[in-house]
Amino acid sequence: AQSVTQLDSQVPVFEEAPVELRCNYSSSVSVYLFWYVQYPNQGLQLLLKYLSGSTLVKGINGFEAEFNKSQTSFHLRKPSVHISDTAEYFCAVTSNRDDKIIFGKGTRLHILP
Amino acid sequence: EAGVVQSPRYKIIEKKQPVAFWCNPISGHNTLYWYLQNLGQGPELLIRYENEEAVDDSQLPKDRFSAERLKGVDSTLKIQPAELGDSAVYLCASSRGTGSFNEQFFGPGTRLTVL
Repeated sequence: AQSVTQLDSQVPVFEEAPVELRCNYSSSVSVYLFWYVQYPNQGLQLLLKYLSGSTLVKGINGFEAEFNKSQTSFHLRKPSVHISDTAEYFCAVTSNRDDKIIFGKGTRLHILP
Repeated sequence: EAGVVQSPRYKIIEKKQPVAFWCNPISGHNTLYWYLQNLGQGPELLIRYENEEAVDDSQLPKDRFSAERLKGVDSTLKIQPAELGDSAVYLCASSRGTGSFNEQFFGPGTRLTVL
């Protein structure tokens, strides 16, 4: 069985500062990893995904994530956040042996002026 | 292209009443998902359709929940009777392919409040 853990339920950060949202996963097989963003009163939207290849994945809105197999992590980063990045961010995991995607509990990003 | 459409956006009912949610996926997307999202939690899969076939309904509480996807396009999710614990956001998503690695496109959800 696979699982995903988002270590922080909320992350406050000042505008224009860098941010890292942490995600760790557990799986006995090769994984596919995702980050989705949910803006207030909207559905989830894909930020980026790792399927194979380069471990550094670049996504929309200036976000990137790095797949680290030895640490079973897929942390999300942005070098400079904007007020518009205020949202909830979900890490998710699946595999080629599973038809189900498992979401973490989410991390709420608060941008401070 | 139009996104995933869900209605209603909000629904308030009293316990023991029935309720239904409707979803129209993105045109051409053959896979459709219904998720339950409780407050402070990530989405949890209720049921997955490939065309008109429910291929994974293992997490659907079948004593009170039912779903259908006639003609492999629109889908409805029904709860009868609703309980207080059913208060949550119900999300519909669709994807073009059948693999779990495919990007899922989510609707805005229906927020259900059971009084």
